[in-house]
Amino acid sequence: ETGVTQSPTHLIKTRGQQVTLRCSSQSGHNTVSWYQQALGQGPQFIFQYYREEENGRGNFPPRFSGLQFPNYSSELNVNALELDDSALYLCASSLEIASYEQYFGPGTRLTVT
Amino acid sequence: KNEVEQSPQNLTAQEGEFITINCSYSVGISALHWLQQHPGGGIVSLFMLSSGKKKHGRLIATINIQEKHSSLHITASHPRDSAVYICAVRSLYGGSQGNLIFGKGTKLSVKP
Repeated sequence: ETGVTQSPTHLIKTRGQQVTLRCSSQSGHNTVSWYQQALGQGPQFIFQYYREEENGRGNFPPRFSGLQFPNYSSELNVNALELDDSALYLCASSLEIASYEQYFGPGTRLTVT
Repeated sequence: KNEVEQSPQNLTAQEGEFITINCSYSVGISALHWLQQHPGGGIVSLFMLSSGKKKHGRLIATINIQEKHSSLHITASHPRDSAVYICAVRSLYGGSQGNLIFGKGTKLSVKP
């Protein structure tokens, strides 16, 4: 148990729809990172939030956006869903930006049909 | 070419065998992680290394910074070790200090 939770566990959406995924970090963890893991691949960095501000972004289009809240929860929003967005979405929290240890949530499996 | 390469991609072993999974990377790093991912997706951090060697139970991880290479060893393997093992590095450069670059993973299956 890492103390990081994600919801929902599974989700099925239709192409063109919008989706919001949620992550609850460990208490006191100021940094949350989101990753996309396609089937058979390693996770890819989407973005990171630190103290409610975006602190870095991977190679993902603007339709991937996020929010981080003062209560250590965060959201990943994806607009205009595409079939290739089908993946496992993982969040990971850490104490500070420079903290090396990241604690992963169990992931949300998104299927876009 | 991926910045983090793992080998082998798939590995099948008999219970009790000694297992080695390798990771090579091409970027300057501040730390290397070995992660375990079970079916269903959840990732557990096994080790974080910046030099030398670490041991936890039957697991041993080593890193050679000069050669940009790390290995994960499992002694006396057991069917419950069956999982995907992922190597991830924290790059010294890039847009985010928290960014991890992941390998594709090694799928290990240990048969009883």
